[in-house]
Amino acid sequence: QKEVEQDPGPLSVPEGAIVSLNCTYSNSAFQYFMWYRQYSRKGPELLMYTYSSGNKEDGRFTAQVDKSSKYISLFIRDSQPSDSATYLCAMSASLDTGRRALTFGSGTRLQVQP
Amino acid sequence: SQTIHQWPATLVQPVGSPLSLECTVEGTSNPNLYWYRQAAGRGLQLLFYSVGIGQISSEVPQNLSASRPQDRQFILSSKKLLLSDSGFYLCAWSLGGEKLFFGSGTQLSVL
Repeated sequence: QKEVEQDPGPLSVPEGAIVSLNCTYSNSAFQYFMWYRQYSRKGPELLMYTYSSGNKEDGRFTAQVDKSSKYISLFIRDSQPSDSATYLCAMSASLDTGRRALTFGSGTRLQVQP
Repeated sequence: SQTIHQWPATLVQPVGSPLSLECTVEGTSNPNLYWYRQAAGRGLQLLFYSVGIGQISSEVPQNLSASRPQDRQFILSSKKLLLSDSGFYLCAWSLGGEKLFFGSGTQLSVL
């Protein structure tokens, strides 16, 4: 079993829809959670960062962490064609320097149809 | 502000040829530097990381090596490329925290 599971998609939605992207994980030590957005043939860019459980909102994006269920989500409101990309979840257990024990999901490809 | 430069964007190399990918970071000092590989439809695989000049840690035994000759320069190399070395290579940096910042990537095709 992978440490982090993420549905690869593709997930196709119409413009303006609410999108829900999810990851599950097995390591209860994870406490830092991130979402990266990656456009085709580009490097991932950090989109959202959360610590421990709870919600964090940034514009049309909301990151949600449920540590009791080992489940994290990214919600995109009023989705736009420019949101079409692959979304990677990532998580780590500690703030130790050096090797970042950052574990990535395999990514979900999102397509927003105009 | 900090920026990361990675080149080339695309590279096609024959099997058995050498490889050198370079990455530089601007606007910060003493960054942690990383090389990742991303296979199609798969997650990011950490290849090497470095916490300082000349300090390289390898995560996965392979045909590749890394070097950090300067504080903000990270180089990925191979003496003889294999077909299995094809992939999307990403350089990244952090300041020791949990946030990673990636370069634009190099698509390597070994033929």
